[in-house]
Amino acid sequence: KAGVTQTPRYLIKTRGQQVTLSCSPISGHRSVSWYQQTPGQGLQFLFEYFSETQRNKGNFPGRFSGRQFSNSRSEMNVSTLELGDSALYLCASSQSTGGLAEAFFGQGTRLTVV
Amino acid sequence: SQQGEEDPQALSIQEGENATMNCSYKTSINNLQWYRQNSGRGLVHLILIRSNEREKHSGRLRVTLDTSKKSSSLLITASRAADTASYFCATESFSGNTPLVFGKGTRLSVIA
Repeated sequence: KAGVTQTPRYLIKTRGQQVTLSCSPISGHRSVSWYQQTPGQGLQFLFEYFSETQRNKGNFPGRFSGRQFSNSRSEMNVSTLELGDSALYLCASSQSTGGLAEAFFGQGTRLTVV
Repeated sequence: SQQGEEDPQALSIQEGENATMNCSYKTSINNLQWYRQNSGRGLVHLILIRSNEREKHSGRLRVTLDTSKKSSSLLITASRAADTASYFCATESFSGNTPLVFGKGTRLSVIA
């Protein structure tokens, strides 16, 4: 069974640009969550989608948005990039939301904003 | 904000020794999970312990949970160089239907 796939793996953008990251969950998983990881803040929850609906949202500005498609693939978008958005963005999929669902993580997208 | 706080932040041991990492959290939980992350890569699920469980084993891993103290510990026995990684605890709140909240992790170095 293929794991969680995130594309691209690495990305360099300049301030003010926007970026779209993609996540393909494990087949059959309907829940996708996104996290931002930085050395200073650790893993911060961005949002969670289940069956194309946003179930939870973290404390991030409106520049961060996401969506989920009918095939459970998810994208997140960051507009008007700032230097502080440089981070490892991790996507995780699970069979359901909450409960005892184990989360399976992708390898992440390393975003560098210059 | 972080729910779990791991302790210590960094740990360095010799191969063959045991490694113990602790996690404290703030609110009531449904379950607590431990994950491992190799440098700059994705997280790998290690073990899940439910709020009504006190101890759980998986291979060389032993996890304990003390809900009265809102703390958990992860013990790795007979450590190997390949265990070098960051270890995170993650909690799911009692209210459910909430995302996992991660601590900042313990960086473990196992020296051969």
